[in-house]
Amino acid sequence: GAVVSQHPSWVICKSGTSVKIECRSLDFQATTMFWYRQFPKQSLMLMATSNEGSKATYEQGVEKDKFLINHASLTLSTLTVTSAHPEDSSFYICSAREGEGSYEQYFGPGTRLTVT
Amino acid sequence: GQNIDQPTEMTATEGAIVQINCTYQTSGFNGLFWYQQHAGEAPTFLSYNVLDGLEEKGRFSSFLSRSKGYSYLLLKELQMKDSASYLCAAMDSNYQLIWGAGTKLIIKP
Repeated sequence: GAVVSQHPSWVICKSGTSVKIECRSLDFQATTMFWYRQFPKQSLMLMATSNEGSKATYEQGVEKDKFLINHASLTLSTLTVTSAHPEDSSFYICSAREGEGSYEQYFGPGTRLTVT
Repeated sequence: GQNIDQPTEMTATEGAIVQINCTYQTSGFNGLFWYQQHAGEAPTFLSYNVLDGLEEKGRFSSFLSRSKGYSYLLLKELQMKDSASYLCAAMDSNYQLIWGAGTKLIIKP
């Protein structure tokens, strides 16, 4: 149980275009989902926390207008990278948590974004 | 501030034992996690400690001392497939994970 999927697993896009990444909890309801970014040989960097039905909380330094997060249902959150630039190329990972007080985060397999 | 420290890189020999240490400082504490991450993949859960002591799970064990803000991950009978990064993360009072930078473990034959 507790499976999280991400789609696509990898994407290449041109500079200036937008890319949407989906994160789904397949066998549980995720009240909270997290979006991370990871650059090569670095640890996970939390970008934002989203709760179903409310606006995402962004970490300091993360542009909310550039990284649009929508957590429209208890099983789906999306991250849209708008007007992508080469420096946005990274490994984007989502994780999901079941409910208040639940301690474990279940990670998706990640999405590798390359902006040319 | 909140902070997690762990060594950047460690090397060990196949069949041996290695201990990866982690110290943490967080606003409140709701447990300490260890994750394994192979290159190009997402992290996978290894262990969770919230009480002091040692938790053993097969070849992997994790220890926590809350009073010292200290944890370690112990890997026994090392296999080549254990070559990966090991991430320590502490959960703060808001149930948010504070991540360490990860320890890259290199296993040599």
